[in-house]
Amino acid sequence: GAVVSQHPSWVICKSGTSVKIECRSLDFQATTMFWYRQFPKQSLMLMATSNEGSKATYEQGVEKDKFLINHASLTLSTLTVTSAHPEDSSFYICSARELGSSTDTQYFGPGTRLTVL
Amino acid sequence: RKEVEQDPGPFNVPEGATVAFNCTYSNSASQSFFWYRQDCRKEPKLLMSVYSSGNEDGRFTAQLNRASQYISLLIRDSKLSDSATYLCVVKNYLSGSARQLTFGSGTQLTVLP
Repeated sequence: GAVVSQHPSWVICKSGTSVKIECRSLDFQATTMFWYRQFPKQSLMLMATSNEGSKATYEQGVEKDKFLINHASLTLSTLTVTSAHPEDSSFYICSARELGSSTDTQYFGPGTRLTVL
Repeated sequence: RKEVEQDPGPFNVPEGATVAFNCTYSNSASQSFFWYRQDCRKEPKLLMSVYSSGNEDGRFTAQLNRASQYISLLIRDSKLSDSATYLCVVKNYLSGSARQLTFGSGTQLTVLP
C-alpha cells in the first residue's frame, strides 16, 4: 500500500523555538495533505488541509500564523510550529490523499511526537 | 455536542470474548463511515469501511443505521493482538470536491489472557 513518512518521529524543544515537521508521500503523488493533532486520550483533530501549490485551509481555532504549512510539491508538505509553547506538545499526524485515486483513501504518516519544555 | 461520539471504554475482555463498540454521528449528510484502529503512540490504521448493508471481515462485523445515525463494530473471538483504541470515523463532503474525515475520540480495548 501507499506509504507516508514523517520526520522527525519525535522532537523535544525549548519554549519559544520553532519546529518543522515534514510529511512525505514515498510512492505516490499527493494532491492533498492533511495535518492533524492528537492530545492524550483525545481524538485526532484536523488542523488544516493543504493542496499542492496553494494556501492551506485552516480549521476554526487553528492559528495560521503559528502553524505554518507549506505544500511545495506533490510529495512533500511541511508544518512549522512557530514559537512553540508547552501547550503545543502533542502528537502531530499527517495524511495524504493520492492524486487521481478513485478510492479517495487517506494514508497516514506515523506521526511526530512534539514535547515543548 | 461532538460530531462523532463513542463509548470511551475502557473495555477489558478475556481472550475469545465478543465485544461490541457503538458510535453515533450528528451530521445526517455524512457520506462514508469507517472504523480505524490506533495502537499506543502510533498512527491510526484503517480497519474497515462501513456499508449500509453491514459488512464482515473475518472476526469483525460493522453495521450502519443511517436513520439512527449509529455505527457499530463487533469483534468475535477476540485476540490479544486486538488490544488497541478503535476510532469511529465519518467522512463528510464539503463544498466542491473537498472531503474531510472526522474522528471519534476512540474506544480503548484491552484483551486479557
